Amino acid sequence: GDSVTQMEGPVTLSEEAFLTINCTYTATGYPSLFWYVQYPGEGLQLLLKATKADDKGSNKGFEATYRKETTSFHLEKGSVQVSDSAVYFCALSNRGSTLGRLYFGRGTQLTVWP
Amino acid sequence: DAMVIQNPRYQVTQFGKPVTLSCSQTLNHNVMYWYQQKSSQAPKLLFHYYDKDFNNEADTPDNFQSRRPNTSFCFLDIRSPGLGDAAMYLCATSRPADATEAFFGQGTRLTVV
Repeated sequence: GDSVTQMEGPVTLSEEAFLTINCTYTATGYPSLFWYVQYPGEGLQLLLKATKADDKGSNKGFEATYRKETTSFHLEKGSVQVSDSAVYFCALSNRGSTLGRLYFGRGTQLTVWP
Repeated sequence: DAMVIQNPRYQVTQFGKPVTLSCSQTLNHNVMYWYQQKSSQAPKLLFHYYDKDFNNEADTPDNFQSRRPNTSFCFLDIRSPGLGDAAMYLCATSRPADATEAFFGQGTRLTVV
């Protein structure tokens, strides 16, 4: 079945450091891939998405490229800020599965220190 | 301009006392989902509606029920909350046609005492 495997956390970085959070997936067909962010006590917000192979999603300095050959969608940011501290979830949605339901990774807690 | 609204943000209920969480949307999306998220875990899908068609996940306990009286509203009913049901409950909506992203509400944090 469809699934997402996400790098275990927590990740602790200093401000302006480079961030990578790894995400790989298993799916039939042509899934869409997403990164969601969750701030403490809040719901999930879409950070970025990619709907086909080689697409690059980007938002707020974060980027991720849909790599079908390696079934990956790693999240990167060149210079993190304290305000980026949150939990990040990689997810996929598949037309062939239940009406666009999301399959989530386990989440990665990011803490950025000033 | 909130698009998916959950009420209340925080709910405290007694062990065994029925509780209802609500969700409304202004997006006119066909699909509405309820997820349960326990501390430090990924959201877990409980069930979803496609219009009025209800779809239960195989491992969702019978204690959890849902109602969708119209396109805009969806309710989560917990018939007899146990301590293990304390969690964040997330409502989401999507359009089914093209596997686009889901739009989430801010969640309801349920505490069972």
